Amino acid sequence: RKEVEQDPGPFNVPEGATVAFNCTYSNSASQSFFWYRQDCRKEPKLLMSVYSSGNEDGRFTAQLNRASQYISLLIRDSKLSDSATYLCVAYTGRRALTFGSGTRLQVQP
Amino acid sequence: DAMVIQNPRYQVTQFGKPVTLSCSQTLNHNVMYWYQQKSSQAPKLLFHYYDKDFNNEADTPDNFQSRRPNTSFCFLDIRSPGLGDAAMYLCATSSGTFTVQPQHFGDGTRLSIL
Repeated sequence: RKEVEQDPGPFNVPEGATVAFNCTYSNSASQSFFWYRQDCRKEPKLLMSVYSSGNEDGRFTAQLNRASQYISLLIRDSKLSDSATYLCVAYTGRRALTFGSGTRLQVQP
Repeated sequence: DAMVIQNPRYQVTQFGKPVTLSCSQTLNHNVMYWYQQKSSQAPKLLFHYYDKDFNNEADTPDNFQSRRPNTSFCFLDIRSPGLGDAAMYLCATSSGTFTVQPQHFGDGTRLSIL
């Protein structure tokens, strides 16, 4: 079983739609979580950290459910520029991060 | 304004011919990482340095080595590249001692093997 699992998608949504991705992690000792965004053939870039109480950054909302060991990312009012692969990331110690293989989002006009 | 710089962006080498990829940073971060990412897969951590302390992942092949001569530079050496080593290689840095900080990635080096 992968340490961090994501639905690969693609999620095809129209502009303006709300879309949500989930990600599950297997190591209950995971301490910190992040969402990264990766455009095609580019490097991952930090989108947001995920806090226990949930957090919001503009159109993006991240949630953490420790009991069920999943995190989520909600994107409201999708823009064409949101089209990318979204990587779920967990920190389990030793200063290293474990990446999921990503969920691809395609926002269509 | 590039903060994590990888050279070259594209590298072509021959099967079995040693190759070195380089990474430099202007962030003065104490942790530097090397990842391998193949198409549609997650970045896979190869190893990381915490200052001069080298941490190898258990499943990183012996064919992959790394050097960190100083805080700013880190190198990835592939001693005898095979066809399966063709991938994007990502360097990343982070700061922080007791809590994990987000990682900052370079643009990556895309390695092709002939």
